[in-house]
Amino acid sequence: NAGVTQTPKFQVLKTGQSMTLQCAQDMNHEYMSWYRQDPGMGLRLIHYSVGAGITDQGEVPNGYNVSRSTTEDFPLRLLSAAPSQTSVYFCASSYSWTSGTTGELFFGEGSRLTVL
Amino acid sequence: KNQVEQSPQSLIILEGKNCTLQCNYTVSPFSNLRWYKQDTGRGPVSLTIMTFSENTKSNGRYTATLDADTKQSSLHITASQLSDSASYICVVSAFRNNDMRFGAGTRLTVKP
Repeated sequence: NAGVTQTPKFQVLKTGQSMTLQCAQDMNHEYMSWYRQDPGMGLRLIHYSVGAGITDQGEVPNGYNVSRSTTEDFPLRLLSAAPSQTSVYFCASSYSWTSGTTGELFFGEGSRLTVL
Repeated sequence: KNQVEQSPQSLIILEGKNCTLQCNYTVSPFSNLRWYKQDTGRGPVSLTIMTFSENTKSNGRYTATLDADTKQSSLHITASQLSDSASYICVVSAFRNNDMRFGAGTRLTVKP
């Protein structure tokens, strides 16, 4: 199993450009999520999904869009990039989501995004 | 104020020594607490997960403790190795709507 795969690993954008960060998992996990990691701060939840066709907002959803058409894929879209979106983005998945909390989270290797 | 505070922010120790990392939280109602290890340039990897009823859990040379009354956890690393150099992240979950709060992490450097 490849686990959680994120692409691209590095990306540089100009302000106003759009792009999609890809995330795929091959563990048949119901739960998938996107986080951003900024220096001196903990990871913050952007969006999450508890199954195909079901998505919800996390702590910092503004400027990002997601969809979940299949169990395996959960892309994150930046509609109009801003310098404040410069960060490292992590996709994570979990085999369970019960009682409002997840089982063990499996993270991808991260995507480092710079917006000029 | 972050609901999960970790200390120290960074720590340097010599190979073979022990160390203890701290995590204090205010997240409520408490569901579980996890420790993750994050190598530079990599994604976090789970070390332990502890629920309310668990006081201690070990994973090899890593031992996590939890005091739910004082809302404190610690991660003790025994006989440190160079490969232990990483950031260690404390994550606390509440029983509501997928509310997981991440600490900023402790950066551990193990020197030969």
